Amino acid sequence: KNEVEQSPQNLTAQEGEFITINCSYSVGISALHWLQQHPGGGIVSLFMLSSGKKKHGRLIATINIQEKHSSLHITASHPRDSAVYICAVVFSGADGLTFGKGTHLIIQP
Amino acid sequence: NAGVTQTPKFQVLKTGQSMTLQCAQDMNHEYMSWYRQDPGMGLRLIHYSVGAGITDQGEVPNGYNVSRSTTEDFPLRLLSAAPSQTSVYFCASTYPGGFATQYFGPGTRLLVL
Repeated sequence: KNEVEQSPQNLTAQEGEFITINCSYSVGISALHWLQQHPGGGIVSLFMLSSGKKKHGRLIATINIQEKHSSLHITASHPRDSAVYICAVVFSGADGLTFGKGTHLIIQP
Repeated sequence: NAGVTQTPKFQVLKTGQSMTLQCAQDMNHEYMSWYRQDPGMGLRLIHYSVGAGITDQGEVPNGYNVSRSTTEDFPLRLLSAAPSQTSVYFCASTYPGGFATQYFGPGTRLLVL
């Protein structure tokens, strides 16, 4: 079965810390997405990756296709970064996204 | 642009009732999809559409129907609601292929008693 695994499930850190969230998947993909879900429930797209690395502000996403692994990094974390971060992939030959269960991040002041 | 809109935001149903969750987008996206989100589980694909007149089943289609008569609208119908369908439902739209940004609606919280 095609699966997406995220770690950790829960992460609590202090403001200013460097945060890493990991995502691994079972078989080849055509694209990987990182999403953010705020406490109010809305989901927004952060990145779409098919190779390499992308950066947007304090957020950095990397992907290693050979190792079937992606990471989302947050530098200089802030309480407003508190949210659920979701990894989702498009498996090769498939339609639609398969989602990880999410990482619940809390940044304390 | 309004983006992706969903109505209603919250609904309570009794077992056996039917209802339609509305989804609309104004970005001319060909690909639209419905997901459900349950505690402890990732979002799961219910149905999707790659264009007007074309729909297909996702991972958890049982108990749901969809249609796509226009590019803009993609309603989800619950035929006979069951407590197991208590969930938060998200509609999303994008361009086909998986390489484009996904746009999500604000969600519909459904409680089936």
